[in-house]
Amino acid sequence: KQEVTQIPAALSVPEGENLVLNCSFTDSAIYNLQWFRQDPGKGLTSLLLIQSSQREQTSGRLNASLDKSSGRSTLYIAASQPGDSATYLCAGATQGGSEKLVFGKGTKLTVNP
Amino acid sequence: NAGVMQNPRHLVRRRGQEARLRCSPMKGHSHVYWYRQLPEEGLKFMVYLQKENIIDESGMPKERFSAEFPKEGPSILRIQQVVRGDSAAYFCASSPDQTQYFGPGTRLLVL
Repeated sequence: KQEVTQIPAALSVPEGENLVLNCSFTDSAIYNLQWFRQDPGKGLTSLLLIQSSQREQTSGRLNASLDKSSGRSTLYIAASQPGDSATYLCAGATQGGSEKLVFGKGTKLTVNP
Repeated sequence: NAGVMQNPRHLVRRRGQEARLRCSPMKGHSHVYWYRQLPEEGLKFMVYLQKENIIDESGMPKERFSAEFPKEGPSILRIQQVVRGDSAAYFCASSPDQTQYFGPGTRLLVL
């Protein structure tokens, strides 16, 4: 059974800092891994999707990596901005056909101006 | 192309009433997923549907909950005889392939 853990639960940084969010999963038979952003009271915005055959994906200031052997993924945010403040969710889809996502509880990021 | 639409955005029900949550997937998407987010908890998978078929309902409570995705119209998540523990945010996602696109959610409050 896939379990996803995110550490830390909350993170506060000054504007401009580079930061890393961590995600670990228990089942290495992962089909893909997605990072999402959730703003308070809102839905989820997909940030990056990494296929099991890939090691990383980049979009603008965001870079996500996937290491299946160690059961870890990281989301790197460069030059953080106050607008990056949100909860970041990591979710893994395990091979099996339905591709349902198993979510971590998220890391709440606050970027202080 | 409009995003995934969910309505209502907020729903208040008294214990014992029925709740109907609607999800219109993005145009061209034939896969629909429902997730529930309890207060202070992560999102939990409930059910995965394709047009007229339930593919995976392993996350759905055995009683009072049902879901459908008819040939025409939105996907419906139905909760009968709601209890206070059903209060949560219910999210729908649609997908053409692997990437899931989420709607804004329906926040259900049971009094």
